[in-house]
Amino acid sequence: GDSVTQMEGPVTLSEEAFLTINCTYTATGYPSLFWYVQYPGEGLQLLLKATKADDKGSNKGFEATYRKETTSFHLEKGSVQVSDSAVYFCALTGGTYKYIFGTGTRLKVLA
Amino acid sequence: GAVVSQHPSRVICKSGTSVKIECRSLDFQATTMFWYRQFPKQSLMLMATSNEGSKATYEQGVEKDKFLINHASLTLSTLTVTSAHPEDSSFYICSAGDDRSSYEQYFGPGTRLTVT
Repeated sequence: GDSVTQMEGPVTLSEEAFLTINCTYTATGYPSLFWYVQYPGEGLQLLLKATKADDKGSNKGFEATYRKETTSFHLEKGSVQVSDSAVYFCALTGGTYKYIFGTGTRLKVLA
Repeated sequence: GAVVSQHPSRVICKSGTSVKIECRSLDFQATTMFWYRQFPKQSLMLMATSNEGSKATYEQGVEKDKFLINHASLTLSTLTVTSAHPEDSSFYICSAGDDRSSYEQYFGPGTRLTVT
């Protein structure tokens, strides 16, 4: 079945460091891919998405490119801030409403 | 657009009582809504898929008689935890699928349930 694999956390970075959170997937067909962010005590907020191969999603300085050849959707940001500290979830949906989530990666940014 | 609300945001109840959590899509119609449960520092676990006007579809291992789901309108789904026990304490998150967009879910802010 479909699956999403995220890198284990927590990830601890200094402010202004470069961020990469790896996400790879297994799916039949052509899934849509998402990154969600969850701040402490809150629900999930959509960070960015991509619906077809080679699409790049971007928002708030974060980017991820849908790579079909490597089945990846890695999240990147050039310069993180303390306010980016949160848990990040990679997810896919394969033509239905049912999401497959990764396990989440906790990011902690130190001032 | 595409805002989903949940009420209450936090609730404390005693063992043996029932508690109802509401999930509303505020500015769109949602034929399909989802209920998730999240344990501390873990990912979301899908509990059930709720379709307007029909019975919910529960995931394996989720007790349908304990977690009652009602989706009576295109903007409201409710989750009732019946005869709550301390092990039901968790963070419950709902989401709604916007019928106008392609299978994207919009998430509510979550409800923290504590059973004492």
